[in-house]
Amino acid sequence: GAGVSQTPSNKVTEKGKYVELRCDPISGHTALYWYRQSLGQGPEFLIYFQGTGAADDSGLPNDRFFAVRPEGSVSTLKIQRTERGDSAVYLCASSLSPTGTTEAFFGQGTRLTVV
Amino acid sequence: RKEVEQDPGPFNVPEGATVAFNCTYSNSASQSFFWYRQDCRKEPKLLMSVYSSGNEDGRFTAQLNRASQYISLLIRDSKLSDSATYLCVATSGNTGKLIFGQGTTLQVKP
Repeated sequence: GAGVSQTPSNKVTEKGKYVELRCDPISGHTALYWYRQSLGQGPEFLIYFQGTGAADDSGLPNDRFFAVRPEGSVSTLKIQRTERGDSAVYLCASSLSPTGTTEAFFGQGTRLTVV
Repeated sequence: RKEVEQDPGPFNVPEGATVAFNCTYSNSASQSFFWYRQDCRKEPKLLMSVYSSGNEDGRFTAQLNRASQYISLLIRDSKLSDSATYLCVATSGNTGKLIFGQGTTLQVKP
């Protein structure tokens, strides 16, 4: 497909476990964003890539969260020692422009549940 | 203080009504602004960009007031299908980082 793809669509994990969430952006899109969304809230910024480098990771809540984009395309969000408070929908978006001037296309998200 | 703030609502309006949403942003260096629409349990999708001169797309009009740092969205002749959450978005300063507001929920009733 031509859209942003996120896998898995749902993930249930036990507290303390490690999880990886994958995002496959639209081909050629330079910018890639990760957000976290809880019920009734807007998407909360986590990290933003321009190409391979993290242009801004100020939204990562703590050092349990890490994201990579080694070849400037697919990105992986990694969460160590998961906590129940990490339960949310994790959204990935990509955009053609690295300066935020063009539309960001979202994937359908990964619903993470920590039990 | 959140960088982008919206009244979460909900706004409950009858079909055919005109409804307006406002949003404020705190970073005076923000360059680009958007309204996104999010349906229940779906991903956000771009509704329209917001330009300094104001812009219109059918029943939807968006305006930007840089002096007061607010953005508005006007929906005329509301349809049942307009029921959704509307998210206000601003770039953070002159970077490409997109900051979303909490969202405003609109419910259009028959």
